[in-house]
Amino acid sequence: AQTVTQSQPEMSVQEAETVTLSCTYDTSESDYYLFWYKQPPSRQMILVIRQEAYKQQNATENRFSVNFQKAAKSFSLKISDSQLGDAAMYFCAYREGTGANSKLTFGKGITLSVRP
Amino acid sequence: DTGVSQDPRHKITKRGQNVTFRCDPISEHNRLYWYRQTLGQGPEFLTYFQNEAQLEKSRLLSDRFSAERPKGSFSTLEIQRTEQGDSAMYLCASSDSPWSQETQYFGPGTRLLVL
Repeated sequence: AQTVTQSQPEMSVQEAETVTLSCTYDTSESDYYLFWYKQPPSRQMILVIRQEAYKQQNATENRFSVNFQKAAKSFSLKISDSQLGDAAMYFCAYREGTGANSKLTFGKGITLSVRP
Repeated sequence: DTGVSQDPRHKITKRGQNVTFRCDPISEHNRLYWYRQTLGQGPEFLTYFQNEAQLEKSRLLSDRFSAERPKGSFSTLEIQRTEQGDSAMYLCASSDSPWSQETQYFGPGTRLLVL
């Protein structure tokens, strides 16, 4: 079974600084997708960024980028120029790339606080 | 389009009672998912619909749980004879993209407390 591990329960960053959130996963599949979701306090979860395993190029979305290391099964999220609105729980998630299995497998999440 | 909606947002019930939650996906989204999130954990998959067909159920979905999507639009999740261990946030998500580009859009969740 696939597993997703987020070993850092909490992180803090100074506003305007850069922070990196770590995620590792375990799978025997070669084709899969990885995601980072953001869940603000009392608000719904939104997709931050996605990465297809077959793509060597790391995904970027404005201030958000990933460092995808397929051999190491590592998928970290870098947030540049941190803003107060970035404070939230961040979840790393995995999805198989083939077959009809569309479910997401999530890590435990990391709580990010942003210091003004 | 206002996104995925869920009702109620909060539910307090006594152990042994039945509860039902509703999820309205984004219009025209043919896939609908239910997840459960307990405190300090990430969401865990419960079940998945493609239109009205329930295609997959997790082992977490005991026989006290039942989900339906009768007309391929809204979905309901019923828990019979609730237990304190059922206390959690129940999340619904929907999607319609081609499978390879699928993004699941989440609702605000229903927080259940079983006393």
